[in-house]
Amino acid sequence: EAAVTQSPRNKVAVTGGKVTLSCNQTNNHNNMYWYRQDTGHGLRLIHYSYGAGSTEKGDIPDGYKASRPSQENFSLILELATPSQTSVYFCASGDRVEQYFGPGTRLTVL
Amino acid sequence: GDSVTQTEGLVTLTEGLPVMLNCTYQSTYSPFLFWYVQHLNEAPKLLLKSFTDNKRPEHQGFHATLHKSSSSFHLQKSSAQLSDSALYYCALSVNTGNYKYVFGAGTRLKVIA
Repeated sequence: EAAVTQSPRNKVAVTGGKVTLSCNQTNNHNNMYWYRQDTGHGLRLIHYSYGAGSTEKGDIPDGYKASRPSQENFSLILELATPSQTSVYFCASGDRVEQYFGPGTRLTVL
Repeated sequence: GDSVTQTEGLVTLTEGLPVMLNCTYQSTYSPFLFWYVQHLNEAPKLLLKSFTDNKRPEHQGFHATLHKSSSSFHLQKSSAQLSDSALYYCALSVNTGNYKYVFGAGTRLKVIA
């Protein structure tokens, strides 16, 4: 069974603080993705990676950085969190056929 | 560029009526098409995927047919159930060297008794 895990599952941060969201996959997929999901906007792609050491900008990268130190791990970093980044964040790993999503992280920035 | 359009944001149906959720796409390649389903407080998961051998994909009573002439991949089910209430995403995958994935905006299906 494909497995993607995310941590933390819930996070409350203060405006201007640094937030790191972590994702781990055991699927041995080259591709990994970070999305945010907001009511009325569906899934929006923030950053993605085609393998260890690579990161690419998605559709809404401003205010976010990404890091892919290994095949298994892909992190999303908010250097200076803002209330507009309050959202649910999903990580996914995938091949050409399917994306496997993690359970999501609910981030609230106060 | 590559894009997926889902025209309905919300579809409300009475239980037992047929379901049809629209999906059209644009791509300069020959994409694979997918439907993902997301139930409340869960992660999206794959429901259906298109094939190139003209087989009609089916799962949990849902089916979809890829029509390349109209660039469509509509999701259908003959009889809606209360448990079908969820958010449905249409998506495509194209081989641009690496596989690029594009999701539509999603359609929320609400089935009422």
